[in-house]
Amino acid sequence: EDQVTQSPEALRLQEGESSSLNCSYTVSGLRGLFWYRQDPGKGPEFLFTLYSAGEEKEKERLKATLTKKESFLHITAPKPEDSATYLCGVDTGRRALTFGSGTRLQVQP
Amino acid sequence: SQTIHQWPATLVQPVGSPLSLECTVEGTSNPNLYWYRQAAGRGLQLLFYSVGIGQISSEVPQNLSASRPQDRQFILSSKKLLLSDSGFYLCAWTRTGYYQPQHFGDGTRLSIL
Repeated sequence: EDQVTQSPEALRLQEGESSSLNCSYTVSGLRGLFWYRQDPGKGPEFLFTLYSAGEEKEKERLKATLTKKESFLHITAPKPEDSATYLCGVDTGRRALTFGSGTRLQVQP
Repeated sequence: SQTIHQWPATLVQPVGSPLSLECTVEGTSNPNLYWYRQAAGRGLQLLFYSVGIGQISSEVPQNLSASRPQDRQFILSSKKLLLSDSGFYLCAWTRTGYYQPQHFGDGTRLSIL
């Protein structure tokens, strides 16, 4: 059975304090890994797709990387507006993505 | 550009009442469509997906059903709601083909009393 585990469950940072979120996966045949940002009461917003180990994608203060077992979402010098829940999902060719439970990020000014 | 609409945003229903949540996608044709439920602090649970009109696949046995009467319309229904049906319901779409990201609506918060 495909499994996706995100850690930590919650993370509190000071503004400007860089950190990383982890998404580890145990799947049979990864076709793609997707990162989303979800604000309270809203649907997830697509951020990145990673397809193969070694791939990296960047967007503003966010950088996503992928290995054969996990993905990291690095947040550099975060701002309070980066506060959200970050979800990762994997595509293994099944009907839909398998998601982790998310990391709730809070950035304090 | 493509947009996805879900309504209502919030719904409070008594136990045993019927349910109808609607989702429509604009700006694309023949999308794959999905219904998810998200419990507080937990991941997204896939409920239904559809690859075309009238084609519905269910992921988990439950009190809910889905229909796709038009290419870009996806409806989640129940004849009699249970307390356990409370949650945050999300509709999503993708283009057909592999490696396509899912794009989500803003969800419906359903509370059963």
